Amino acid sequence: QVQLQESGPGLVKPSGTLSLTCAVSGGSISSSNWWSWVRQPPGKGLEWIGEIYHSGSTNYNPSLKSRVTISVDKSKNQFSLKLSSVTAADTAVYYCARSSVAGTNPWGQGTLVTVSS
Amino acid sequence: DIQMTQSPSSLSASVGDRVTITCRASQGIRNDLGWYQQKPGKAPKRLIYAASSLQSGVPSRFSGSGSGTEFTLTISSLQPEDFATYYCLQHNSYPRTFGPGTKVDIK
Repeated sequence: QVQLQESGPGLVKPSGTLSLTCAVSGGSISSSNWWSWVRQPPGKGLEWIGEIYHSGSTNYNPSLKSRVTISVDKSKNQFSLKLSSVTAADTAVYYCARSSVAGTNPWGQGTLVTVSS
Repeated sequence: DIQMTQSPSSLSASVGDRVTITCRASQGIRNDLGWYQQKPGKAPKRLIYAASSLQSGVPSRFSGSGSGTEFTLTISSLQPEDFATYYCLQHNSYPRTFGPGTKVDIK
């Protein structure tokens, strides 16, 4: 079955760019699914960031759209998230997940990114 | 954006209790809703998809119902491993939105 694994720096400086990658195993990123990012600040609820299709089509949360870029690398079977101009409010656990007409599942284990100098 | 609300925000229950959590959407979302369980330090785990379909491997004590704007998650007999926070997620329109969560703890 499909598994997802996030990776990237756990610490980012304020005003910098957060960059994460999600490796997909057990299935092809070129399948008929969307590939999503969700985040969860410590002790708070879940927020949908956006998603990408293997063609490169994207959908973003308007609240983050000006700062977010999601891209796909089919040769590596992975997709990535970049969030620019980060502040402490962007400190969160970031999850990647697979999405389809049936919803979002499975999820990666998540990775904590802290924004601090 | 579609706003998702959940009630209650938290509840205390005993092992063996029947528990019901409600999720309401600010506009109709057909049955484009999933329920997730999250334990501390873990990723959300999907329990229910398409509002009422049980995810493979999830115990049958979990059930979902509803369509349109009102949805419920029911745990028929609460077990010790069910103490967690539960979220609903709509995937009918963009942006996708989650409910604020319902924390279920031990009475």
